[in-house]
Amino acid sequence: DSGVTQTPKHLITATGQRVTLRCSPRSGDLSVYWYQQSLDQGLQFLIQYYNGEERAKGNILERFSAQQFPDLHSELNLSSLELGDSALYFCASSARTGEGSPLHFGNGTRLTVT
Amino acid sequence: GQNIDQPTEMTATEGAIVQINCTYQTSGFNGLFWYQQHAGEAPTFLSYNVLDGLEEKGRFSSFLSRSKGYSYLLLKELQMKDSASYLCAVRDPDRGSTLGRLYFGRGTQLTVWP
Repeated sequence: DSGVTQTPKHLITATGQRVTLRCSPRSGDLSVYWYQQSLDQGLQFLIQYYNGEERAKGNILERFSAQQFPDLHSELNLSSLELGDSALYFCASSARTGEGSPLHFGNGTRLTVT
Repeated sequence: GQNIDQPTEMTATEGAIVQINCTYQTSGFNGLFWYQQHAGEAPTFLSYNVLDGLEEKGRFSSFLSRSKGYSYLLLKELQMKDSASYLCAVRDPDRGSTLGRLYFGRGTQLTVWP
């Protein structure tokens, strides 16, 4: 168990809908990262937060947004969902933004858009 | 841009040794990570290299050559439970600051046969 908690585990929704994915980092970790993993793309970096502030942005669509709250949990909001958004969404946390800090991943949320 | 290459699939037999290679071309480099991921599960951290050379951790070892943009993960005394995807990831200090995000290769699916 990595200590990173993601909810829900599974989400099935229709095209055009909006969903929210939630992540609680390991105790004491200030950095939260969101990744998307689909079969044809591998693990794609979406966005990173550090202590409530956005630190880095990857290939995150404009339909997607995220935030990190004062208690350090984070939410990833996906709107106007398309079939291609079906994927595993992982949250990860790390102790500090230092070169040697590994990312610890949660068990992911499997999103299916029908 | 970031380019991280690793073989798509490898097979080996129980008790054998296997080497999974990874080559990378990134705009910056601040360390290389190896992760293991079983199907449908979270990636788990295996090893980290930032200096050239070999890092050994039990049955797993990882090697790095920064001048060649090359790393490998060596798995010894293979067990059936080692069947998984192995992900190579590079930490890229964007614009001179250590932001901590990792860029992942697409993973090498290792199958261990009895």
